[in-house]
Amino acid sequence: DAGVIQSPRHEVTEMGQEVTLRCKPISGHDYLFWYRQTMMRGLELLIYFNNNVPIDDSGMPEDRFSAKMPNASFSTLKIQPSEPRDSAVYFCASSLRGFAGELFFGEGSRLTVL
Amino acid sequence: SQKIEQNSEALNIQEGKTATLTCNYTNYSPAYLQWYRQDPGRGPVFLLLIRENEKEKRKERLKVTFDTTLKQSLFHITASQPADSATYLCALHSGAGSYQLTFGKGTKLSVIP
Repeated sequence: DAGVIQSPRHEVTEMGQEVTLRCKPISGHDYLFWYRQTMMRGLELLIYFNNNVPIDDSGMPEDRFSAKMPNASFSTLKIQPSEPRDSAVYFCASSLRGFAGELFFGEGSRLTVL
Repeated sequence: SQKIEQNSEALNIQEGKTATLTCNYTNYSPAYLQWYRQDPGRGPVFLLLIRENEKEKRKERLKVTFDTTLKQSLFHITASQPADSATYLCALHSGAGSYQLTFGKGTKLSVIP
């Protein structure tokens, strides 16, 4: 398996623009997670899905953030409008057993909002 | 409030020595504790998972201990090598309350040849 695939790897945009990050989880994994990593706050959980259904979105910072999982092999994280403080590395991860097992992370999408 | 602290932001160690990294937590009752390795520009990679009823877990040169009384986990790398240089993250999963995997900020380990 190719692992968790994220795109784009790098994104530079201007404040106010819409940003869409994409994730393809490992086939057969029922759980999908979106994390954000910054130097100040480390890795923070934004939202996670089980069987394509959002279970906990309490980590989503504001209404500007939204996430979808239209099918088992694809998820998006959208920021609209983007702000400089959204600059971070966004990771997608998937797992078989939720938080009770190993999380497989993608390589991340580094977002810079100017 | 809940808190996870990893002993230091950076740790330098001589090649061949044992590296010991610490993860302390407060106001958690973790069911599981996990350790991940993260290289620059890459995503975290899972290393070991230890359950609350386990004292110790080993995998090759890696050893993890879990002391729920002290609220602490120790992560050891024996016979360290320059290739072990990376950031190591501990993560706690609580089966109650906040049901998620919460990460510490990590310790950057540098193994000096």
